[in-house]
Amino acid sequence: AQSVTQPDIHITVSEGASLELRCNYSYGATPYLFWYVQSPGQGLQLLLKYFSGDTLVQGIKGFEAEFKRSQSSFNLRKPSVHWSDAAEYFCAVGVAGYSTLTFGKGTMLLVSP
Amino acid sequence: GAVVSQHPSWVICKSGTSVKIECRSLDFQATTMFWYRQFPKQSLMLMATSNEGSKATYEQGVEKDKFLINHASLTLSTLTVTSAHPEDSSFYICSALGLAGGTILEQYFGPGTRLTVT
Repeated sequence: AQSVTQPDIHITVSEGASLELRCNYSYGATPYLFWYVQSPGQGLQLLLKYFSGDTLVQGIKGFEAEFKRSQSSFNLRKPSVHWSDAAEYFCAVGVAGYSTLTFGKGTMLLVSP
Repeated sequence: GAVVSQHPSWVICKSGTSVKIECRSLDFQATTMFWYRQFPKQSLMLMATSNEGSKATYEQGVEKDKFLINHASLTLSTLTVTSAHPEDSSFYICSALGLAGGTILEQYFGPGTRLTVT
């Protein structure tokens, strides 16, 4: 069965600083990988996804993620964080052909002034 | 495109009553929908997979008699929490499986429903 690990429960970043959120997955085949963001009391918003092709994926709101098969990782990055980026971020892995998603436990991003 | 709505967005009910949550795909048809539950400050846990015209498939540990799922049309799935108790209070999120113009099926998420049982 697939699994997702987000090793950081909380991360605090200064506004304007760069951000990297870590995500490692376990899955026997080529995974579909996703990053979602959730603001308090809200649903999930898809930031970006990787299905195949270029391993560096661009998403919305200036986010990008890089799929590294050798490290089983799909880390999320942003060069300059804005206060509005403060939210919970979830990494998820999907099983090809059925799109069953397994979510990581999430990383709460706090942005300091 | 690929908009999924949920109704209501929040509901308060008394212990012992039942409450129904609707999940609709607004601009695409979804033969498969998913229901998740999210406890405060935790991740999403899949409760069940709902297939149009057939019985839902429940994840291990989810009481099918307590969480009734109906997927009667290609755009609507409902989750009914029967005889609700305070421990059922949670954030319930649905998603719908669709192509939405692409070639790979993806899950599109609703905004969630906050259930509080008093």
